Amino acid sequence: EAGVAQSPRYKIIEKRQSVAFWCNPISGHATLYWYQQILGQGPKLLIQFQNNGVVDDSQLPKDRFSAERLKGVDSTLKIQPAKLEDSAVYLCASSSTHGTTTYEQYFGPGTRLTVT
Amino acid sequence: RKEVEQDPGPFNVPEGATVAFNCTYSNSASQSFFWYRQDCRKEPKLLMSVYSSGNEDGRFTAQLNRASQYISLLIRDSKLSDSATYLCVVNRASVGTYKYIFGTGTRLKVLA
Repeated sequence: EAGVAQSPRYKIIEKRQSVAFWCNPISGHATLYWYQQILGQGPKLLIQFQNNGVVDDSQLPKDRFSAERLKGVDSTLKIQPAKLEDSAVYLCASSSTHGTTTYEQYFGPGTRLTVT
Repeated sequence: RKEVEQDPGPFNVPEGATVAFNCTYSNSASQSFFWYRQDCRKEPKLLMSVYSSGNEDGRFTAQLNRASQYISLLIRDSKLSDSATYLCVVNRASVGTYKYIFGTGTRLKVLA
């Protein structure tokens, strides 16, 4: 079974530039998550999709971050304009849901973003 | 206070030692519990789910204490390859969905 795919793996940009990340979840997984992980901390949820609808974006800095999952499969996360404090690893994860039960998450390799 | 708390460590132990990590959670509505392992510069990977009755997978044993709201992970006969960060993860209902809450992780270094 193919895992969660993410690209690019690394990105270096200057502050105020824009950047986009792509994620392809495990086939059949309805729930997709974007996390931000800063060095030495656990992953912080940015946004959670159920199929193509947003179910939680309470911690997404909406003035600069946006995400979409138009067809309920792939997703993109965009930052515009980037700030120095956005330097982090951006992890995409997916999980399957059956009824009211959500199963364990599987993570992609992440995108390491450096903002200079 | 964070919803999921872990001792960040590092725990430095010799090969062959037994080491235990605890994780506390504050929301009594939490329903599912997991331990993830994260190697340096890698993504988190599921180590094991934690069941109410406790569960074991080889050298790893996980326990859940709902009354005291903590979970634990015991590693016996530590190997050098066990060196990693261990993330405690709690799943609970949120408005219209479920969400995963991560601890900051506990670093383990197994020394030769």
